[in-house]
Amino acid sequence: EDQVTQSPEALRLQEGESSSLNCSYTVSGLRGLFWYRQDPGKGPEFLFTLYSAGEEKEKERLKATLTKKESFLHITAPKPEDSATYLCAVQGKGGSTLGRLYFGRGTQLTVWP
Amino acid sequence: GAVVSQHPSWVICKSGTSVKIECRSLDFQATTMFWYRQFPKQSLMLMATSNEGSKATYEQGVEKDKFLINHASLTLSTLTVTSAHPEDSSFYICSARAGGWGETQYFGPGTRLLVL
Repeated sequence: EDQVTQSPEALRLQEGESSSLNCSYTVSGLRGLFWYRQDPGKGPEFLFTLYSAGEEKEKERLKATLTKKESFLHITAPKPEDSATYLCAVQGKGGSTLGRLYFGRGTQLTVWP
Repeated sequence: GAVVSQHPSWVICKSGTSVKIECRSLDFQATTMFWYRQFPKQSLMLMATSNEGSKATYEQGVEKDKFLINHASLTLSTLTVTSAHPEDSSFYICSARAGGWGETQYFGPGTRLLVL
């Protein structure tokens, strides 16, 4: 079965202190790796989709990268409003019906002023 | 673009009653919709997957007769929790996907269900 492991579980950063979140995965043929942001009491908000090793995508202070075994979400000069839980999910070519996503447990990011 | 809505955003009901939750894709046609359940401080647990006009595919351990899913159109799916009990209290989230494999799933804002 496809698996996703995210680390760290929780991360506290001071405003402006850059860091990276890790998503390690095992999948039977990657169709896509997805990053979402989830605020408390809300549904996940889509950030990025990555399809192949070497691919990178950026949005404001966030940059997602992908290798054959893991993905990183780099946060540059974070602000308190970046505080949220960041979820990583993969979709593989084999296995389950209709292309389900396998989610990691998430990294809870707190950015303090 | 790619907006998914859910209604209601929260609901309180008595044990034994049924509750219906709607999920709509507002600006795209969703060939596939998904229903998730999320417990506090845990990740999303997939309950079922449905294609428009087809029966839903339920994940192992999810009771089909308790969680009825209807995907009657390309923009609407409903989840009905039948004979709800306190243990069904949870955060239910739907997602919708426009295309096929590899396409992005967009999530709704979620519905908080509390069964008394």
